[in-house]
Amino acid sequence: DQQVKQNSPSLSVQEGRISILNCDYTNSMFDYFLWYKKYPAEGPTFLISISSIKDKNEDGRFTVFLNKSAKHLSLHIVPSQPGDSAVYFCAASAGGTDKLIFGTGTRLQVFP
Amino acid sequence: DTGVSQDPRHKITKRGQNVTFRCDPISEHNRLYWYRQTLGQGPEFLTYFQNEAQLEKSRLLSDRFSAERPKGSFSTLEIQRTEQGDSAMYLCASSFGRLAVNEQFFGPGTRLTVL
Repeated sequence: DQQVKQNSPSLSVQEGRISILNCDYTNSMFDYFLWYKKYPAEGPTFLISISSIKDKNEDGRFTVFLNKSAKHLSLHIVPSQPGDSAVYFCAASAGGTDKLIFGTGTRLQVFP
Repeated sequence: DTGVSQDPRHKITKRGQNVTFRCDPISEHNRLYWYRQTLGQGPEFLTYFQNEAQLEKSRLLSDRFSAERPKGSFSTLEIQRTEQGDSAMYLCASSFGRLAVNEQFFGPGTRLTVL
């Protein structure tokens, strides 16, 4: 039962353009959502998060949008840079538990 | 380096052997988590501790798996009688209480290969 889904296994974007990574979830009890970035041979690194009481959170080049009615969130990276090339994981947690439920990841490649 | 550290980084073992991994969290963090990641999947939650108390265990954590955090600092994850299906990356993460962002800091992982 995949509660957090990232349906696009890969995405290729030109440097300077916008990257949009999508994530869907099924559990309506999720109240916190996070994005992590992972480089090869390293652990995931926290990028940005959003609470279910908000619909947008912005941090520099990264913006996360949450659409609760559609159970959908997205990560926007503007402008994309070659150093952004990595695997991006969407994760969610439900109130009262600290465990994170991760999606399967989207591999982003930013080319010059 | 004040991040989460894990040892060893790689472990190759034969089926049926026991293995133990160690995680050292960020020093002021009171919560510690173990996840497992297989190829093409995201990390899957195994268990977590607040200080020395193990608060939650996933059903993925069979009887062959045991985790400890005896003094509320470092943690060990032991797998007994390893099976080929145990081959995966084992990730440790830590956090401080329940911050507003519930941000967990991950270590580099221990890659286990069971032959």
